[in-house]
Amino acid sequence: GENVEQHPSTLSVQEGDSAVIKCTYSDSASNYFPWYKQELGKRPQLIIDIRSNVGEKKDQRIAVTLNKTAKHFSLHITETQPEDSAVYFCAPPLSGTSYGKLTFGQGTILTVHP
Amino acid sequence: DAMVIQNPRYQVTQFGKPVTLSCSQTLNHNVMYWYQQKSSQAPKLLFHYYDKDFNNEADTPDNFQSRRPNTSFCFLDIRSPGLGDAAMYLCATSRPGRSSYNEQFFGPGTRLTVL
Repeated sequence: GENVEQHPSTLSVQEGDSAVIKCTYSDSASNYFPWYKQELGKRPQLIIDIRSNVGEKKDQRIAVTLNKTAKHFSLHITETQPEDSAVYFCAPPLSGTSYGKLTFGQGTILTVHP
Repeated sequence: DAMVIQNPRYQVTQFGKPVTLSCSQTLNHNVMYWYQQKSSQAPKLLFHYYDKDFNNEADTPDNFQSRRPNTSFCFLDIRSPGLGDAAMYLCATSRPGRSSYNEQFFGPGTRLTVL
C-alpha cells in the first residue's frame, strides 16, 4: 500500500509570510496528488491537485509542486492570511485502483497569526 | 446546490445500542465513501461503494456495516457501538474520470458520542 508522510505536523507563521508543507509518498506509480484543507469542525475540501504530467500548478496564493523522482509534492501558500489557519492533508490515492481511494497524510496544523 | 448531506449532524447513543448514520447526495456521483475521523487524526476510510459494488477496508471492524439502496443514499450501521467508536463520521462522493482520479466531495459529518 501507499505510505505517506507529511511534514511538518504543525506550522506557525505570521500573516503575510509563506508556508510550505511537504508530502512524501512511497508508490512510484502514483499519478495524482491532491491537497485537502479542513477548518476546525468542518469538512475536508480539495484546494488544489496536480497530475503527474506536470511539475507545478498554481491557483492564486496556493501552488503545488511535484518531484516524481524524489517522490514528494509540496503545498505552497504565499501571503498567508488568518483564514488560511486549518489542517492540511495530502492524500495521494493508492495505485492499483482506477479511482480515488485516497491515502491521507497525518495532517499539518497551520496557524497564521495576525 | 448540489451537495452531500449527512443526518443527523450529532448523534448520541449508548454503549452497545445500534445506530445508523445516513448520507445522501445530489451530485449523481457513482462512488460513495465512509470515513471515520477521530480527534486530531486524518480521516480513515472504512469502506466505499463503486455503484453497487461494496468494498471493505481490511482493517474495518465487523461492527461496521453499510448499505446503499440507490445512487443517492448510503447508510453506515454500527451494530454495537463501543466507546472507541466515538468519532466524526464523514461521507464523501466522487465521479471518477476515465482512467483518472477526481475530487472527493465531503459531507459535513456526523459527530457520534457513545455514552
